[in-house]
Amino acid sequence: IAGITQAPTSQILAAGRRMTLRCTQDMRHNAMYWYRQDLGLGLRLIHYSNTAGTTGKGEVPDGYSVSRANTDDFPLTLASAVPSQTSVYFCASSDGNGGRLPVFGQGTRLTVV
Amino acid sequence: DQQVKQNSPSLSVQEGRISILNCDYTNSMFDYFLWYKKYPAEGPTFLISISSIKDKNEDGRFTVFLNKSAKHLSLHIVPSQPGDSAVYFCAPPKVGGSNYKLTFGKGTLLTVNP
Repeated sequence: IAGITQAPTSQILAAGRRMTLRCTQDMRHNAMYWYRQDLGLGLRLIHYSNTAGTTGKGEVPDGYSVSRANTDDFPLTLASAVPSQTSVYFCASSDGNGGRLPVFGQGTRLTVV
Repeated sequence: DQQVKQNSPSLSVQEGRISILNCDYTNSMFDYFLWYKKYPAEGPTFLISISSIKDKNEDGRFTVFLNKSAKHLSLHIVPSQPGDSAVYFCAPPKVGGSNYKLTFGKGTLLTVNP
């Protein structure tokens, strides 16, 4: 089934540990995004990538890094997790140049303790 | 600076009645507006959109109205159904660029009671 797959679905992580959230899409979309959703705050953009090999900072990039080695994968890394990074993380993808609208993954619920 | 405001955190309506969800924005450069719907434990899914050159877009039971002078959108659902119970986000794309970096409002939780 075409779409976006995120892994893991949920994770409890000790503060200070490193964690990579995985995101894979099979729609050959050029652009990919990472958002976090916190209670009462809606979704906020962390990082994005317009195309393979490029990345950009969103609204709340601090503490996170991304890479885009190929079209399909867009991992999000927390180098040293802190409790304020407890959130639900959503990966999304879209065609560039005004193409198809963003499609979201099912989310990763991360708890940093 | 919150550019997209959904001032009603929740809304409860009876099945068959109309649901009206509101969204206000401050950035006059927004030229396209998306509504996403989100069920618990799922990612947001696209519902309906409207371009700034229109004042209304209709898709089945869903209609979005845009008042540019007031910087206000409203999503009408009629008739409302229990399956419409979800969080609704107003999410215009950031201006410029070739992708869809969305600016989300905080969302409105709609509950449709049978």
